[in-house]
Amino acid sequence: GAVVSQHPSRVICKSGTSVKIECRSLDFQATTMFWYRQFPKQSLMLMATSNEGSKATYEQGVEKDKFLINHASLTLSTLTVTSAHPEDSSFYICSSGLTNSPLHFGNGTRLTVT
Amino acid sequence: DQQVKQNSPSLSVQEGRISILNCDYTNSMFDYFLWYKKYPAEGPTFLISISSIKDKNEDGRFTVFLNKSAKHLSLHIVPSQPGDSAVYFCAASGSGNQFYFGTGTSLTVIP
Repeated sequence: GAVVSQHPSRVICKSGTSVKIECRSLDFQATTMFWYRQFPKQSLMLMATSNEGSKATYEQGVEKDKFLINHASLTLSTLTVTSAHPEDSSFYICSSGLTNSPLHFGNGTRLTVT
Repeated sequence: DQQVKQNSPSLSVQEGRISILNCDYTNSMFDYFLWYKKYPAEGPTFLISISSIKDKNEDGRFTVFLNKSAKHLSLHIVPSQPGDSAVYFCAASGSGNQFYFGTGTSLTVIP
């Protein structure tokens, strides 16, 4: 069964609104969660590393004010796309796992901004 | 700069034959390698892994080979089945939990 649950699986929003994506670890404590974005025919691009109880670490080129990450508990991390624009339309995936073990991925969220 | 590369974006194989997916990496500090399988509109699922102390790991129809001197790993699927049709990502990791992914290879197994 799934060990990382991501919600929602699909969301359509209007330009200028904000969207929150949740990622939960179901049977382990996730001190670290990773947020990826996947463009068509491209690799999973790491956006940020979410650390429980501290600030997220963002990859170069990722706007931290646009992609707000909160990791308030050991089982939940959220990614909020603020003031979404059509170019933010993409497939967002979270993952987590124990150190030195394979990552478990959520099923992803297809965001469409109209 | 892409540290993990999958140079073949797509591969077609006849059912029952062997599928070989390749992956190259540039960072000699990587010591843990994985393959993930991904269906459309879903997150990747873990398939098989190998650490740098080994050169082969087998799990059922899936075998991963690691050539450290060439910085190359490959995934062999035999026999290939139509349900194996998916995008396969290789990933590599050094110290910590930071994984670097290749761009994926889309495998189509033809019945």
